[in-house]
Amino acid sequence: DTEVTQTPKHLVMGMTNKKSLKCEQHMGHRAMYWYKQKAKKPPELMFVYSYEKLSINESVPSRFSPECPNSSLLNLHLHALQPEDSALYLCASSLQDSYYEQYFGPGTRLTVT
Amino acid sequence: ELKVEQNPLFLSMQEGKNYTIYCNYSTTSDRLYWYRQDPGKSLESLFVLLSNGAVKQEGRLMASLDTKARLSTLHITAAVHDLSATYFCAGGGGADGLTFGKGTHLIIQP
Repeated sequence: DTEVTQTPKHLVMGMTNKKSLKCEQHMGHRAMYWYKQKAKKPPELMFVYSYEKLSINESVPSRFSPECPNSSLLNLHLHALQPEDSALYLCASSLQDSYYEQYFGPGTRLTVT
Repeated sequence: ELKVEQNPLFLSMQEGKNYTIYCNYSTTSDRLYWYRQDPGKSLESLFVLLSNGAVKQEGRLMASLDTKARLSTLHITAAVHDLSATYFCAGGGGADGLTFGKGTHLIIQP
């Protein structure tokens, strides 16, 4: 299994809502990542989890809250988002955090109204 | 801080032609990655270049890495329409995550 899955594929939420994005991989990878991609821009790193511990938080606003319940699962909890947070949210995983190839999930297209 | 620059950012070419996309990076990076992204889709890994002088080929695409010049190239041979996509190079990786170039939007016309 060489797949990273993400749910939901699309999400529309109001600025007062609370929602969560889910990412799962069963490749035995120990590093997992969240990236944000705006239209016609490259992906930007948000968070890195290595062995289920948060190792990088790229000055992301607190309205985004990551969680790594186990080595296969990564969540991104969303609360009080702004319209400018609308983007494609990509999850990725790699074997370890030592420069191994990253495999990307299909992404969640988020629209904040 | 690693910076990655790609050029050109936009490329329109005819089928059957050859072209090269360039990727420069600012600091030492042992590895360089190339990804493809189709509109509305996620990123597909094309190549992982692990060392100086590395060359990898897959079909009509060939990627190379020159760590001394801090330069990677993605060469397209005899382009076909199916190769139309946005191509990203990226450096870094691991615990620092990937740093992407701005991407090259490639259109191949019949």
